[in-house]
Amino acid sequence: GAGVSQTPSNKVTEKGKYVELRCDPISGHTALYWYRQSLGQGPEFLIYFQGTGAADDSGLPNDRFFAVRPEGSVSTLKIQRTERGDSAVYLCASSLKSSGSTYNEQFFGPGTRLTVL
Amino acid sequence: AQKVTQAQTEISVVEKEDVTLDCVYETRDTTYYLFWYKQPPSGELVFLIRRNSFDEQNEISGRYSWNFQKSTSSFNFTITASQVVDSAVYFCALKETHSSGNTPLVFGKGTRLSVIA
Repeated sequence: GAGVSQTPSNKVTEKGKYVELRCDPISGHTALYWYRQSLGQGPEFLIYFQGTGAADDSGLPNDRFFAVRPEGSVSTLKIQRTERGDSAVYLCASSLKSSGSTYNEQFFGPGTRLTVL
Repeated sequence: AQKVTQAQTEISVVEKEDVTLDCVYETRDTTYYLFWYKQPPSGELVFLIRRNSFDEQNEISGRYSWNFQKSTSSFNFTITASQVVDSAVYFCALKETHSSGNTPLVFGKGTRLSVIA
């Protein structure tokens, strides 16, 4: 079946502009995660959705970053007033819903490379 | 607080040499998972292994082997008889298992492995 897809694969924008990054999770996966990977670093958690609601947004760096998942499937990460420091690869992952401590593997998309000039 | 440390930033080996990538983690949870991911130049994260904190048995898969030692909070990864195709960035990651189930992955900064022919 289809994996996690992300669009666009590359996005170049100018400082101060608004951008939207899209993630299509694997069908049936209720959990969705956004991570950011800066150059030379490991992925860092941004936000996690369980269904339509953000269960944990503690990783969002500031209020310029926002994410939605209105129908519990596709998610959009929105960045306002972009800054050069926002340049990174934004990764999306999805998994089945967990209960208790049961593990469900996160499947990663290919990422969107954002460059802010 | 949870943390993953990969002290080796870059490693370079000659083809057919064995190489070990180190990973040390910190967590207060008694139940957690540890992972290794490979990120080739193409950028996608490729899952290699998951290990439950209750299972300290070492694992071998082809040329890959993993040494999990709870006493030293380490989860090291060894590639035997390295090949050029092994060249990539390797990430170690930790996932705590709170009662809520889904928790994000915490990644180390990665180790860039270069295998020279």
